[in-house]
Amino acid sequence: NAGVTQTPKFRILKIGQSMTLQCAQDMNHNYMYWYRQDPGMGLKLIYYSVGAGITDKGEVPNGYNVSRSTTEDFPLRLELAAPSQTSVYFCASSYNWKGQDEKLFFGSGTQLSVL
Amino acid sequence: KNQVEQSPQSLIILEGKNCTLQCNYTVSPFSNLRWYKQDTGRGPVSLTIMTFSENTKSNGRYTATLDADTKQSSLHITASQLSDSASYICVVSGPLTGGGNKLTFGTGTQLKVEL
Repeated sequence: NAGVTQTPKFRILKIGQSMTLQCAQDMNHNYMYWYRQDPGMGLKLIYYSVGAGITDKGEVPNGYNVSRSTTEDFPLRLELAAPSQTSVYFCASSYNWKGQDEKLFFGSGTQLSVL
Repeated sequence: KNQVEQSPQSLIILEGKNCTLQCNYTVSPFSNLRWYKQDTGRGPVSLTIMTFSENTKSNGRYTATLDADTKQSSLHITASQLSDSASYICVVSGPLTGGGNKLTFGTGTQLKVEL
């Protein structure tokens, strides 16, 4: 059972380039999330999805896009990379939110630098 | 504004000693409070989740407490081990409008356990 798998682990982009961060989970979770973690800051929610075909903005969505065509995959797209998007990106998933002990499972992260 | 503040920012203890990490929050509405452990270069891993009605919850050598009246939580680590060296993140959860949980993350306490 792989859990939440993110690729790539590291990436360097030039300003204006685009890329897609991949995220896949094999736990049949309905809910998936993208977070970014900046140095000395708490994780911030970028986008989330409550099921295939449904996505919604989080706290810091500008400069990003997502899609959820299947339950398993939740890719994050950067169209025009900017230095402000240099961060560590974490994908997470959960079964549902209604249970009080609902737990999030995180991937191991993608370290992105935009130069 | 929803905030989660943790103290101390960093802590060094000797192997075998106990320690207590603090978390104060102003998040509303409140669903639950979570403690995560994040090893360097990895995603956060859930340690405990406590709802409004729970005062304490244990997971092995980790014991979390919650005082919902004063909006404070603590994480106590007993008989520390070198493998406890990590960042410990306090996260307060509330419901998202479209489903799922809105998580407000603290910046973490960086714990180092030395011989």
